[in-house]
Amino acid sequence: EAGVAQSPRYKIIEKRQSVAFWCNPISGHATLYWYQQILGQGPKLLIQFQNNGVVDDSQLPKDRFSAERLKGVDSTLKIQPAKLEDSAVYLCASSPAGTDTQYFGPGTRLTVL
Amino acid sequence: QQQVKQSPQSLIVQKGGISIINCAYENTAFDYFPWYQQFPGKGPALLIAIRPDVSEKKEGRFTISFNKSAKQFSLHIMDSQPGDSATYFCAARSNMYGSSNTGKLIFGQGTTLQVKP
Repeated sequence: EAGVAQSPRYKIIEKRQSVAFWCNPISGHATLYWYQQILGQGPKLLIQFQNNGVVDDSQLPKDRFSAERLKGVDSTLKIQPAKLEDSAVYLCASSPAGTDTQYFGPGTRLTVL
Repeated sequence: QQQVKQSPQSLIVQKGGISIINCAYENTAFDYFPWYQQFPGKGPALLIAIRPDVSEKKEGRFTISFNKSAKQFSLHIMDSQPGDSATYFCAARSNMYGSSNTGKLIFGQGTTLQVKP
């Protein structure tokens, strides 16, 4: 079974630029999560989708971050404009309906200069 | 109330020794407590998980001990091996059937474990 795919793996941008990350969850997984992991900290949930609907985006900085999951499969997370404090690893995870286990992708390491 | 506090921040153990990582929480609505293992450059992977209706769960060399009254849980790695060197995160999740919660995972700060040969 293929795991959660994310791209790109690394991204370096200047502050105030825009960036987008892509995630393809495990086939058939209804729930998709985006986490932000700042160096030395645990992952923090940004947004959770159930199929293509948003379940929780309470910790998403909506003035600069946006995410979508069209057709309930893959997802894109965008930051516009980026700030220095957005430097982090952005992790995507998915889980099948009715289960607790979240399967994480390898993440995208973002550096904002 | 939504925090999970993890300690120690780092841990060095000799090969064959026991590694112990502790977590504490405040929110009594948490009903699922997983431990994740993360290697450099990789995403976290579920190691073992427990629910508050049991006090201990063992899978191979990994054991979770859970103390509901103290609101604490810990991970024990028996016969620690160099391949266990990684960062470990505890997490907790609120009851998914609460009126306004989505069952999101709250992660601890992480413990970097180094097992010396």
